[in-house]
Amino acid sequence: DGGITQSPKYLFRKEGQNVTLSCEQNLNHDAMYWYRQDPGQGLRLIYYSQIVNDFQKGDIAEGYSVSREKKESFPLTVTSAQKNPTAFYLCASSRQGRDNEKLFFGSGTQLSVL
Amino acid sequence: AQTVTQSQPEMSVQEAETVTLSCTYDTSESDYYLFWYKQPPSRQMILVIRQEAYKQQNATENRFSVNFQKAAKSFSLKISDSQLGDAAMYFCAYRGYNNNDMRFGAGTRLTVKP
Repeated sequence: DGGITQSPKYLFRKEGQNVTLSCEQNLNHDAMYWYRQDPGQGLRLIYYSQIVNDFQKGDIAEGYSVSREKKESFPLTVTSAQKNPTAFYLCASSRQGRDNEKLFFGSGTQLSVL
Repeated sequence: AQTVTQSQPEMSVQEAETVTLSCTYDTSESDYYLFWYKQPPSRQMILVIRQEAYKQQNATENRFSVNFQKAAKSFSLKISDSQLGDAAMYFCAYRGYNNNDMRFGAGTRLTVKP
């Protein structure tokens, strides 16, 4: 079945540590996105990518980095510069162009600080 | 920047009755899409319904329908014959035709009482 796979489901970070969240899709979608969700809040965009080897910052990119070396993969690294990383992280993808505007979401990764 | 406002943090409805969730948005664009996503306790984001701004007819998906008022920038979701499985967080979202990201409201937590 086609879909978006995020791993791990739960992740713990120590002080000063970088951690990487995985996102893989087999939907052949061009665009991929990372959102952060804090308790009781909506989703905020961290980064997005429309094409391989290209990505743009969203509203809250500070303390995060991404890469897009393959169409299927869009990993997110939470760096030690992100002082408040505890949140639920959602990866999404979509096709490009008119009538392909809806997002397909993965099942998320809960990141917590030890 | 576009903003999406959901003024009802929590709503409750009796099983089998009807409930309406409110959403307003701010934009200067004329062509865009609006969405309602459902997030149950599993935290998987599920698309409930979408509306294209250039279509005057309100979208309907089984028990879910919207009241789209373009001039008022209002996009409410009506759930008819509410079921226990409808209990979830509901997010209103906006995406411009030429934009590459989707903007979300803060969400409304819906409780369904048996």
